[in-house]
Amino acid sequence: KAGVTQTPRYLIKTRGQQVTLSCSPISGHRSVSWYQQTPGQGLQFLFEYFSETQRNKGNFPGRFSGRQFSNSRSEMNVSTLELGDSALYLCASAGAAEETQYFGPGTRLLVL
Amino acid sequence: SQQGEEDPQALSIQEGENATMNCSYKTSINNLQWYRQNSGRGLVHLILIRSNEREKHSGRLRVTLDTSKKSSSLLITASRAADTASYFCATVQRGTGRRALTFGSGTRLQVQP
Repeated sequence: KAGVTQTPRYLIKTRGQQVTLSCSPISGHRSVSWYQQTPGQGLQFLFEYFSETQRNKGNFPGRFSGRQFSNSRSEMNVSTLELGDSALYLCASAGAAEETQYFGPGTRLLVL
Repeated sequence: SQQGEEDPQALSIQEGENATMNCSYKTSINNLQWYRQNSGRGLVHLILIRSNEREKHSGRLRVTLDTSKKSSSLLITASRAADTASYFCATVQRGTGRRALTFGSGTRLQVQP
């Protein structure tokens, strides 16, 4: 089975712009979660989608949003980028009955 | 915010030695998982231990869980240079949803050849 894929792998944006990141889960997985990793705050949960519905949300401002499509692929959007949004954004997928999450390679976002 | 702390923050050992990392967490959990991350890449799942389990093994890995102390340890035996990475514990807090992982701060392990 192919693993979790994320595109793009690297991205450079400027303050005020918006960005969309994409995640394709492992085939058959319906749960997709997003995490942000920064040197200062570490790894933090953003949100989880299951069958196109947001099931859980972390403590992030409304500028961070996401969605999931019928094929379980997910996108994450960050609007009005700030310098502090520079981070590695990780996507993880899981099967319906699984507790283990499988992570993608991440998208490294740099905001200038 | 992070669930808890891991110690040590950094660990340097020689190949063949054992490495032990500790993780503490704050709330009641469903399970605790350990992940490895190589140099800013994605996380690789190592092992999951449920709240009703006390010890689990997987190859050279041994994980213990003490829910009364809210702590876990990861032991890597006979370490190799390829084990050099950051190791994170992650918990699923009871009542917050099965997949909202809360991560510790991580331990950076350096295995010298």
